[in-house]
Amino acid sequence: AQSVSQHNHHVILSEAASLELGCNYSYGGTVNLFWYVQYPGQHLQLLLKYFSGDPLVKGIKGFEAEFIKSKFSFNLRKPSVQWSDTAEYFCAVRGISGGYQKVTFGTGTKLQVIP
Amino acid sequence: SQTIHQWPATLVQPVGSPLSLECTVEGTSNPNLYWYRQAAGRGLQLLFYSVGIGQISSEVPQNLSASRPQDRQFILSSKKLLLSDSGFYLCAGDSPLHFGNGTRLTVT
Repeated sequence: AQSVSQHNHHVILSEAASLELGCNYSYGGTVNLFWYVQYPGQHLQLLLKYFSGDPLVKGIKGFEAEFIKSKFSFNLRKPSVQWSDTAEYFCAVRGISGGYQKVTFGTGTKLQVIP
Repeated sequence: SQTIHQWPATLVQPVGSPLSLECTVEGTSNPNLYWYRQAAGRGLQLLFYSVGIGQISSEVPQNLSASRPQDRQFILSSKKLLLSDSGFYLCAGDSPLHFGNGTRLTVT
């Protein structure tokens, strides 16, 4: 069965600090990987996705993530966070197996950026 | 692009009453559709997913059921709600996943 682990449940950073949120998945086959963000009071939005090709994926608002297949990881990074990045971040994996492509989410990481 | 419509936005129902939450999709055909429940500290729990009309896979045993009577319609139901069914329910379609705005269900 596929699963996703986000080890950091709550992260507090000062503005301009660098960010890295961990995401590890378990699935033996081909995967699509996603990061979603949920700003306070808003619904989930896609931040970036990896389907194939270059394992370094760039998303919106200066975020990027790197797929490391050997480590089953897809960590999210941003060189310099802003107060407006305060939100909850969810990693998700879709295991590609025949016609079933269910998407499984991690438990989320709450990021608080202090001005 | 794909748009997910979900209603109602909020719902308060007594224990033992039935439930029907509807989700419709625009902008794509034959999407994979999903029902998730979001709870604080637990992320998004996949409840059901569907790869086509009449095809439903249940991920967790529960008091809820799902149906897909049309290609772009996905319904979450219950015959008798329990207090533990309270939560925030999200419908989604892919690819990649697009979410509806969710339904906040409170069972009293």
